[in-house]
Amino acid sequence: DSGVTQTPKHLITATGQRVTLRCSPRSGDLSVYWYQQSLDQGLQFLIQYYNGEERAKGNILERFSAQQFPDLHSELNLSSLELGDSALYFCASSVPGGADTQYFGPGTRLTVL
Amino acid sequence: GQNIDQPTEMTATEGAIVQINCTYQTSGFNGLFWYQQHAGEAPTFLSYNVLDGLEEKGRFSSFLSRSKGYSYLLLKELQMKDSASYLCAPYNFNKFYFGSGTKLNVKP
Repeated sequence: DSGVTQTPKHLITATGQRVTLRCSPRSGDLSVYWYQQSLDQGLQFLIQYYNGEERAKGNILERFSAQQFPDLHSELNLSSLELGDSALYFCASSVPGGADTQYFGPGTRLTVL
Repeated sequence: GQNIDQPTEMTATEGAIVQINCTYQTSGFNGLFWYQQHAGEAPTFLSYNVLDGLEEKGRFSSFLSRSKGYSYLLLKELQMKDSASYLCAPYNFNKFYFGSGTKLNVKP
């Protein structure tokens, strides 16, 4: 158990819908990262937040947005969902400084029908 | 941009040694991570190399050559539970690039 929690574990929805994925980092970690992993694909970095502010952006679609709240939990919002958005979405957290080693949550499996 | 190259799949025998190679070209580089990921599970941290050379951690070792854009992960005394994907991840402050991973199959 990494200490990072993600809800829900599974989500099934229809095309065109909007969903929100939630992540709580490890106690004391200020950074939160979001990743997408499609079937048999590598991890695609989406976005990073540090202490409430966006710090880095990767291959995140305009239909996707995220935020980090004052209590440091983060939400990833996915809208106008398409079949291709079906994937595992991981959240990770780290203590900044040094190696920024990331600890991953168990993931949310999103299925778009 | 970034380009990370790892073998797609490897097979080795329980008790043996296996080396998983990774070559990378990234815009900016500060260090390189290796993660292990079992199917359907979250990646877990294995090692981080900043300087050239070999870092040893129990049965796992990781090597880095910054000038060559090359790293490898060495797994000794393979166990069945080592069957997983191994992800090479070059790191450039605030940006993480993960390779597609090498799926390692350990057979009895």
